[in-house]
Amino acid sequence: DGGITQSPKYLFRKEGQNVTLSCEQNLNHDAMYWYRQDPGQGLRLIYYSQIVNDFQKGDIAEGYSVSREKKESFPLTVTSAQKNPTAFYLCASTPLTGPGDYFYTFGSGTRLTVV
Amino acid sequence: AQSVAQPEDQVNVAEGNPLTVKCTYSVSGNPYLFWYVQYPNRGLQFLLKYITGDNLVKGSYGFEAEFNKSQTSFHLKKPSALVSDSALYFCAVRALNSGNTPLVFGKGTRLSVIA
Repeated sequence: DGGITQSPKYLFRKEGQNVTLSCEQNLNHDAMYWYRQDPGQGLRLIYYSQIVNDFQKGDIAEGYSVSREKKESFPLTVTSAQKNPTAFYLCASTPLTGPGDYFYTFGSGTRLTVV
Repeated sequence: AQSVAQPEDQVNVAEGNPLTVKCTYSVSGNPYLFWYVQYPNRGLQFLLKYITGDNLVKGSYGFEAEFNKSQTSFHLKKPSALVSDSALYFCAVRALNSGNTPLVFGKGTRLSVIA
């Protein structure tokens, strides 16, 4: 079955550590996105990529980094510069072939907790 | 700039009664509108979308949404609520001719259906 897979489901980070969240899709989608979800704040865009080897900052990119070396993969690194990383992280993808095909498919999320 | 407002943090409805979850938006030009649902500790699931055409859009699980251009609204509705509809609902928007800019999400409305 086609889909988008996020791993791990739960992740614990110590102070000063970098951690990487995985996002893989086998839908042949062009664009991929990372959102952060905090209670009462909805979804906020961290980074997005519409083509391999290219990505753009979203509204809250500080303290995060991404790469897009393959179409299927869009990992997110939460660096030690991100002072409040505890949140639920969601990855999404969509084709860009036209408006009729455009809608996000989401992964099941990674819950990151600082310990 | 694109924005979405979901004016109600919480909506309570009795099982069997009709439900409405409100959404208003702001975009330059014609909007591309979406509703998603999220169950606890899960990713978002697509419910329905509006591009052009009929103002009443039918989606998954018996949900529908009415696009009202003059009021810039896209309210989600269901004629008869089920307890299993209890979840977090997100409205999202982007301008139709915005060059594939990412979706902007509202802060979400928690729907509670009481038996």
